[in-house]
Amino acid sequence: AQSVTQLDSHVSVSEGTPVLLRCNYSSSYSPSLFWYVQHPNKGLQLLLKYTSAATLVKGINGFEAEFKKSETSFHLTKPSAHMSDAAEYFCVVSDSRTGFQKLVFGTGTRLLVSP
Amino acid sequence: EPEVTQTPSHQVTQMGQEVILRCVPISNHLYFYWYRQILGQKVEFLVSFYNNEISEKSEIFDDQFSVERPDGSNFTLKIRSTKLEDSAMYFCASSEIGQGKGGYTFGSGTRLTVV
Repeated sequence: AQSVTQLDSHVSVSEGTPVLLRCNYSSSYSPSLFWYVQHPNKGLQLLLKYTSAATLVKGINGFEAEFKKSETSFHLTKPSAHMSDAAEYFCVVSDSRTGFQKLVFGTGTRLLVSP
Repeated sequence: EPEVTQTPSHQVTQMGQEVILRCVPISNHLYFYWYRQILGQKVEFLVSFYNNEISEKSEIFDDQFSVERPDGSNFTLKIRSTKLEDSAMYFCASSEIGQGKGGYTFGSGTRLTVV
C-alpha cells in the first residue's frame, strides 16, 4: 500500500532562515506526491505536486520539493521562512490502484517560525 | 479562484442524533470526496463519489455514513446516530479528474463535535 512518513512532528525556524520539512514515501509503483498546507482554522491548500515530470517541483509561496527515487524522499524546502509560513504541512501520496484517486496523508509537520 | 464551500463551519450535536454536512464542489469538477481528521490524528479518506455513485470507500465508511448529490450543486455527508468518536474535522474535496495526476481542491472543513 502507498504510504508517506513525515519524519518531524514539529520544526522550528527563525524568520529568514531556510525551511526543510522531510518526507519519505513507500510505493509499489511510480507515485504522485503532493504537499498540502493547513493554516489554523483553514482548509487544506495544495502547495505543489509531483506527477512524474520534472523531479524538482516549484510551488506557491516560494516552496519547492525534490523527488528522489533512490532515497524515496520528497522533502519540502524554502530558502527563507516568513512568519506567515507557520502552519501544518502534510506530505501526501496518491493511491490510484482502483482507478480513482485517493490521497494518503502523512501525520503532518507543524512549522513554527519565530521572529 | 474557484472554491469548495462547506457548511456549517462548526456543528455540535448530541450523541445518537443525525447530522448532515454540506458541501458545494467546484462547478466543473466531476469527482467528489470526503475526508476526516480526528484531533491530533491523520487526515483519513472516507469516500469518493463519481457519476452519482460511490467509487470507493474506506473501512471507516460503514452503514452509519451515506453520501448524496441531491441536486446539481450540493454534495452531502450524512452521519446517522452519531457517536462520540465521530467528533472530527470533516473535509469535502473535489477534482476535475479522478486518476493520479491532479490535486484536489479542499473546502475549509466542518468541525463536528458530538457531546
